[in-house]
Amino acid sequence: DAGVIQSPRHEVTEMGQEVTLRCKPISGHNSLFWYRQTMMRGLELLIYFNNNVPIDDSGMPEDRFSAKMPNASFSTLKIQPSEPRDSAVYFCASSPPGALSLSNQPQHFGDGTRLSIL
Amino acid sequence: AQSVTQLGSHVSVSEGALVLLRCNYSSSVPPYLFWYVQYPNQGLQLLLKYTSAATLVKGINGFEAEFKKSETSFHLTKPSAHMSDAAEYFCAVTAPFGNEKLTFGTGTRLTIIP
Repeated sequence: DAGVIQSPRHEVTEMGQEVTLRCKPISGHNSLFWYRQTMMRGLELLIYFNNNVPIDDSGMPEDRFSAKMPNASFSTLKIQPSEPRDSAVYFCASSPPGALSLSNQPQHFGDGTRLSIL
Repeated sequence: AQSVTQLGSHVSVSEGALVLLRCNYSSSVPPYLFWYVQYPNQGLQLLLKYTSAATLVKGINGFEAEFKKSETSFHLTKPSAHMSDAAEYFCAVTAPFGNEKLTFGTGTRLTIIP
């Protein structure tokens, strides 16, 4: 079975440019999460969706970051304009419907996008 | 709110020795607890989870963890380390209701000495 698919795997761009990260969750999963991982701050949840609706975006650093989930099989995380401090590995994860609650189900992670802003 | 503290950002053990990775949690409600493993250049993979059933939870690759409410701990163990266990390990906590998100610890990097 295909896991969570993220693209691109690596992105190098100059500051000020727009960056778009893409994620295809596992088919049948109805929750999707975007994380950022850095050495300094560890793994941070940026935003998550349930049934394509954003539930909690309190982790989004600032207005330069935006995320969309137009349908159940695709999500994007956009940074505009990008800055060097945005350099990190960005992970997308998805989880299946839970019998009782969202938290009962494990999250399945993609392999991440390594983003470098010069 | 929930949080986890992982003691020791780096742990080294000899091949064949006991692996013990420590995790203590803080939660105002009975928590759900998870251990994830991350291999180089990969995403996180679930090792095991505690969701208020048996306090001793067995996971993949021979790992297990015991939920101890009195100690607010959920330490991860494996009786005999293998070279393939070298990775980073994350403890995570959430509340067992609603749409609560996972809160991850800072991770412990496990090195296996041949």
